Amino acid sequence: AQSVTQLGSHVSVSEGALVLLRCNYSSSVPPYLFWYVQYPNQGLQLLLKYTSAATLVKGINGFEAEFKKSETSFHLTKPSAHMSDAAEYFCAVSGVRNTDKLIFGTGTRLQVFP
Amino acid sequence: DTAVSQTPKYLVTQMGNDKSIKCEQNLGHDTMYWYKQDSKKFLKIMFSYNNKELIINETVPNRFSPKSPDKAHLNLHINSLELGDSAVYFCASSHGLRTPNIQYFGAGTRLSVL
Repeated sequence: AQSVTQLGSHVSVSEGALVLLRCNYSSSVPPYLFWYVQYPNQGLQLLLKYTSAATLVKGINGFEAEFKKSETSFHLTKPSAHMSDAAEYFCAVSGVRNTDKLIFGTGTRLQVFP
Repeated sequence: DTAVSQTPKYLVTQMGNDKSIKCEQNLGHDTMYWYKQDSKKFLKIMFSYNNKELIINETVPNRFSPKSPDKAHLNLHINSLELGDSAVYFCASSHGLRTPNIQYFGAGTRLSVL
């Protein structure tokens, strides 16, 4: 069985500050991990993915995430927040087979203040 | 061109009615999905079709019936709507033969049952 826990349903940062969104996973098989972003009234868009290659993964819009097996974590970071980063962020896990389901966390709403 | 498009964007209806949501993708993908996002933003898979065949059917009431006339379309029909069906429904698609199985989402249909 697989699951994802996102710590903190809301995170607020000032523009220019570091963004850190936390994700811990549980998986009985080697996982693939994903971060998706959902802007208001839009669908989910893939930010980045971990697929057992490099543990530090870079995504779009300056985001990156590091896979830490020992901590079962896949936290999302961005050095400097921008107003346009305000959105809902979802961490997700799947197995490595193409038929494995995508299991989502409950999301973290990021607010960016000027 | 929108890659995954859903119609309608908003759907307001009375309890007991029957309604349909349509989804179309122009990405050439062979796998399509329906997800339900509840009021707490929790996103859960409902169904998945690969080349018009049902491959994932979560524990969903049989009032929900997906229909895939071809691999570019996956419609969701809901009979006898209940208050608890109010949610945002997302359609997604992916190239099912590839790993990782990256899913592309539509903008969602917000269903309100009164």
